[in-house]
Amino acid sequence: AQSVTQLGSHVSVSEGALVLLRCNYSSSVPPYLFWYVQYPNQGLQLLLKYTSAATLVKGINGFEAEFKKSETSFHLTKPSAHMSDAAEYFCAVSESGNQFYFGTGTSLTVIP
Amino acid sequence: DAGITQSPRHKVTETGTPVTLRCHQTENHRYMYWYRQDPGHGLRLIHYSYGVKDTDKGEVSDGYSVSRSKTEDFLLTLESATSSQTSVYFCAISEWGTSGVTGELFFGEGSRLTVL
Repeated sequence: AQSVTQLGSHVSVSEGALVLLRCNYSSSVPPYLFWYVQYPNQGLQLLLKYTSAATLVKGINGFEAEFKKSETSFHLTKPSAHMSDAAEYFCAVSESGNQFYFGTGTSLTVIP
Repeated sequence: DAGITQSPRHKVTETGTPVTLRCHQTENHRYMYWYRQDPGHGLRLIHYSYGVKDTDKGEVSDGYSVSRSKTEDFLLTLESATSSQTSVYFCAISEWGTSGVTGELFFGEGSRLTVL
């Protein structure tokens, strides 16, 4: 069975500090992994995706994530937080490519 | 931006009434999904479709039905709405199934439903 765990439903960082949002997955086969961002009153937008190519994936807005099979993790990072990064972030897993399972989300607050 | 339109965007209804939410896409993608988003639960799959008249249940399908009579439209129906179905509903599409495509989801703007 597929599942995603996002540790920390709320994360606060200072502007300019490192952003680290954690995602661990459960999958019986090599998965596809995704990070999405949701701004208030909007739908979800794709930040980046892992599809069995390079384990370090770069996305939009300076975000990147590293697939670590041994740790079953796909943590999202950004070296320097910006006020505009404040949003909710969702990690998602898919084994088959046609069904997706989402974590419960992490709300990121950026403190000026 | 992916061409996905959800309607209505906001609806308030009373317990026991039927409700239909519509998702319309202009991308000709094969897969369409309905998710609900609730605090503390993230997004949960209600139903999805992999072609015209081809649908399957997701993890929270009880109380919901869907129909897809055309590639571009995917309808979600609550036959008799309950207060527990108050939520934000998102439609998503994917081009999974197209050769060489890994198929991420593209989301609509959401439909906020309140059941009194």
